[in-house]
Amino acid sequence: DVKVTQSSRYLVKRTGEKVFLECVQDMDHENMFWYRQDPGLGLRLIYFSYDVKMKEKGDIPEGYSVSREKKERFSLILESASTNQTSMYLCASRRRPVNESPLHFGNGTRLTVT
Amino acid sequence: GENVEQHPSTLSVQEGDSAVIKCTYSDSASNYFPWYKQELGKRPQLIIDIRSNVGEKKDQRIAVTLNKTAKHFSLHITETQPEDSAVYFCAASNNAGNMLTFGGGTRLMVKP
Repeated sequence: DVKVTQSSRYLVKRTGEKVFLECVQDMDHENMFWYRQDPGLGLRLIYFSYDVKMKEKGDIPEGYSVSREKKERFSLILESASTNQTSMYLCASRRRPVNESPLHFGNGTRLTVT
Repeated sequence: GENVEQHPSTLSVQEGDSAVIKCTYSDSASNYFPWYKQELGKRPQLIIDIRSNVGEKKDQRIAVTLNKTAKHFSLHITETQPEDSAVYFCAASNNAGNMLTFGGGTRLMVKP
């Protein structure tokens, strides 16, 4: 069974702090994703990566960056956290090809920025 | 880019009744339409998907229908049970990219 592990379930950070959200998957998936989940807005894609050191912007990349130095690990970085980044963050992975493999999600990190 | 709209945002049904959730999409190139279920406090999980070469797909009490001409697809749950209570998300993507675009979600409540 695919396992996608997010390092923290809950995080509380102060405005202006640099925040790292870590995600690891154990199924050798090529594609990894970071989503943000807010009530009524569904799941919005922040960034995704289709290979090591490769990244693509999603729908809402502003204020975020990512890092993928190893195939199994995909990090989301908030360079200077702001209160409007308080949200649930979900990491996901999927093998190629795109339409023959479901997204596997982590349990999420609920981030509060005060 | 793709835009997916989902209705209703909340749905309350009596146990045993049917529930229908509808989604529309904007990109005519989209050809893959999955549905995810997220129970309270848990991760979203795929429950069923449909590809554009098929008009309907069933799996026990759940079914999805797709109307490519109208660019809409629906999730149907029959004989609802309390354990069907969850948030359901529709999504759409095409072969050209890796991105899934999600709808806003529907909170389904099944009353015993």
